[in-house]
Amino acid sequence: DAGVIQSPRHEVTEMGQEVTLRCKPISGHDYLFWYRQTMMRGLELLIYFNNNVPIDDSGMPEDRFSAKMPNASFSTLKIQPSEPRDSAVYFCASSPTDGVGYTFGSGTRLTVV
Amino acid sequence: GENVEQHPSTLSVQEGDSAVIKCTYSDSASNYFPWYKQELGKGPQLIIDIRSNVGEKKDQRIAVTLNKTAKHFSLHITETQPEDSAVYFCAASIGTGGFKTIFGAGTRLFVKA
Repeated sequence: DAGVIQSPRHEVTEMGQEVTLRCKPISGHDYLFWYRQTMMRGLELLIYFNNNVPIDDSGMPEDRFSAKMPNASFSTLKIQPSEPRDSAVYFCASSPTDGVGYTFGSGTRLTVV
Repeated sequence: GENVEQHPSTLSVQEGDSAVIKCTYSDSASNYFPWYKQELGKGPQLIIDIRSNVGEKKDQRIAVTLNKTAKHFSLHITETQPEDSAVYFCAASIGTGGFKTIFGAGTRLFVKA
């Protein structure tokens, strides 16, 4: 298995632009998580899905953030409009129902200038 | 909600020495405690975990201990090697798979050759 695949690896965008981050979880994993990592706040859970359905989005910072999971093999995290304070590394992770721990992707480093 | 505190934030040891990282959690309902290692430019990787019905678990040079009464758990790395240098995160959750995992702030471990 190729693991959790995220794209792009790096994204630099101007303030006000729309940004879309993509994630392909491990096949057979029922749960998908989006985390944001910054020096100040560490790893923060933004939202997670079970069988493509959003279960908890209480960590999504503002209405500018949205996430979708149209099928079991694909999820997106969208920021519109983007702001400099959104600059961070965004991780996607997946896990099976009865598994242990998460498998993280390599992350997307987002820089908003 | 759950809160996980991790100490120290930075740890420097000589190659061959042991390293200990400590964490405390607040929610007595938490029963699953994974540890992740994050190398530069990569996502966190699960290295060991422990469940609340176990007091200690060992895997080669790493071991975890759990004290449910005191609500703290620790990671022990023996015979440290330069490749152990990374950021280590403790975490706590209620169950596995579909439950939110709350992460500690991380410990940056330096192993000097």
